[in-house]
Amino acid sequence: GENVEQHPSTLSVQEGDSAVIKCTYSDSASNYFPWYKQELGKGPQLIIDIRSNVGEKKDQRIAVTLNKTAKHFSLHITETQPEDSAVYFCAASTSLGGSGGSNYKLTFGKGTLLTVNP
Amino acid sequence: DSGVTQTPKHLITATGQRVTLRCSPRSGDLSVYWYQQSLDQGLQFLIHYYNGEERAKGNILERFSAQQFPDLHSELNLSSLELGDSALYFCASSSHRGVGMYQETQYFGPGTRLLVL
Repeated sequence: GENVEQHPSTLSVQEGDSAVIKCTYSDSASNYFPWYKQELGKGPQLIIDIRSNVGEKKDQRIAVTLNKTAKHFSLHITETQPEDSAVYFCAASTSLGGSGGSNYKLTFGKGTLLTVNP
Repeated sequence: DSGVTQTPKHLITATGQRVTLRCSPRSGDLSVYWYQQSLDQGLQFLIHYYNGEERAKGNILERFSAQQFPDLHSELNLSSLELGDSALYFCASSSHRGVGMYQETQYFGPGTRLLVL
């Protein structure tokens, strides 16, 4: 099955600096890669996602890059703010096939605790 | 607010007991996914229901079961509880019309924190 490795497990940056979180996946059939932000006491919230037919996607201060050949994808946060402090999870989606339409499974990385110091 | 609701928010129970967690998906979403989040295992996919039918199973124990009702809400039943079942349980929903080659976005609820004593 799919295996997703995420690094680093913790990341501390100064406000205004950039933060980069990297993930690798094992299943070359994975084709959808979402990133979630989880604040304390809350459920994961989607912040950006990318499909395998594109190499990069940007949304304001957040960008994701995908290298299918190397099977890795990264989250880039620029001009970090204290409210960006949270746990970030990457995930990879693989089709499980099946009748009546496709079934997909999301496999998550272990998470990165990002701390943005004022 | 994702639009996914889960009840209860917290649950404290004893070993050997049985509990039921409830999830209401976003309006219009047909798929419900259940996940378990623990410190050592991270976020683990348990099971997926689409329009009332089980579609995929992940790392779900035989002591656990789920169902999705005609109004599309879902329940996760955990029985013969053990200390190691203490975790956060999330449900997520997606429109998942069963077509297309890409996973549709999953929206997570706020979770149920289960503590087994």
